[in-house]
Amino acid sequence: QSALTQEVSVSGTVGQKVTLSCTGNSNNTGSYGVAWYQQMSHGPPKTVMYGDSLPSGIPDRFSGSRSGTTASLTISGLQPEDEADYYCSTWDYSLSDVVFGGGTKLTVL
Amino acid sequence: QVQLQESGPGLVKPSETLSLTCVVSGYSISSAYYWGWIRQPPGKGLEWIGSINHSGSTYYNPSLKSQVTISLDTSKNQFSLSLRSVTAADTAVYYCARGGVYYDILTGYPYYYHYYMDVWGKGTTVTVS
Repeated sequence: QSALTQEVSVSGTVGQKVTLSCTGNSNNTGSYGVAWYQQMSHGPPKTVMYGDSLPSGIPDRFSGSRSGTTASLTISGLQPEDEADYYCSTWDYSLSDVVFGGGTKLTVL
Repeated sequence: QVQLQESGPGLVKPSETLSLTCVVSGYSISSAYYWGWIRQPPGKGLEWIGSINHSGSTYYNPSLKSQVTISLDTSKNQFSLSLRSVTAADTAVYYCARGGVYYDILTGYPYYYHYYMDVWGKGTTVTVS
């Protein structure tokens, strides 16, 4: 069982706005920035967000936010190439460990 | 542009030591940043193994700490993973990655993170059998 909770699957149509969530507790998501990783089928992860900071080269349709102990990744204007698995991750100071969510499979209809 | 490339044996016998190397190009690992290892068992999610910074300070996954050593070889601009006493549960794709950085908005001072990765290698599959 993962320390962070993510939706198992989310779907949307091209052009739609979708939001993926990542819920932890005060020891992890409530205290540290959350990273989001995109993983295409059989490929390596790619970092698409840290906190609300967009890495270089990532389209600005991706945005990140946090409310309490829930972090969110929003994709505005969904594109076919956004179809992938998305993992959230952060530091947990009580565990002294990097924790991950179980991943959300995003399907573009 | 920094690039990372994992290398090592694809097959390791149970109870032996898994050894992997990550060669870094486009950046000197002795300058800054954390450098880490993450793995992904078949059909499962990501698991952080550990990270090392440019001066050799390490963070390890508590559940793997007794088995793992991560080290730097600055002369070859590479870092390595050693995982001892492996079992079938250690079968996974192993990724090396660079830790992230945040620049203070006011001062421009860089803060280097060991717990989030901003550049990843392509991964290497290791089977324990």
